[in-house]
Amino acid sequence: RKEVEQDPGPFNVPEGATVAFNCTYSNSASQSFFWYRQDCRKEPKLLMSVYSSGNEDGRFTAQLNRASQYISLLIRDSKLSDSATYLCVIGFSGSARQLTFGSGTQLTVLP
Amino acid sequence: DVKVTQSSRYLVKRTGEKVFLECVQDMDHENMFWYRQDPGLGLRLIYFSYDVKMKEKGDIPEGYSVSREKKERFSLILESASTNQTSMYLCASFLAGDNEQFFGPGTRLTVL
Repeated sequence: RKEVEQDPGPFNVPEGATVAFNCTYSNSASQSFFWYRQDCRKEPKLLMSVYSSGNEDGRFTAQLNRASQYISLLIRDSKLSDSATYLCVIGFSGSARQLTFGSGTQLTVLP
Repeated sequence: DVKVTQSSRYLVKRTGEKVFLECVQDMDHENMFWYRQDPGLGLRLIYFSYDVKMKEKGDIPEGYSVSREKKERFSLILESASTNQTSMYLCASFLAGDNEQFFGPGTRLTVL
């Protein structure tokens, strides 16, 4: 079983739609959680951290469910510019190797 | 702004050649990483370094070595390139105590 699993998609949604991605992780000792965004032929960049209580940044909402070992990302009112691959990333505090990346979920927002 | 640069965006090499990929960061980060990214497999950690002259194997170190002689520079070496090392190579760095990894633009390596 992979340490971090994501539905690869692709998710094709119309502009203005709400879309949600889930990511499951296998290591219950995981301590930090992130969503990264990767545009086509570009490097990954941090989109947002995911906190235990859930957190929101504009149209983006991230949630963590430790009991079921998954995190989610909700995008409201999708824009064309949201088209990208979204990477689920899990971290271990105190570990120098730091992060394990999921293989990503591809989102295309259609006009 | 943190800047992570990689020596080449695109590289074409022949099987058996020795290949050097260089990464430089300008923010005095202790930790540096080399990943490769392949479709469907995501980012896989090859090697990382948490200090000058220190290195640790990641998940897929076979066929690779690294060098960290200076804090700002982390080199990935393919001793004898093979076709299965055709991939996108990404370098990253982060500051101890921080969470965000900063990535370089990547090197797309093709081994013929």
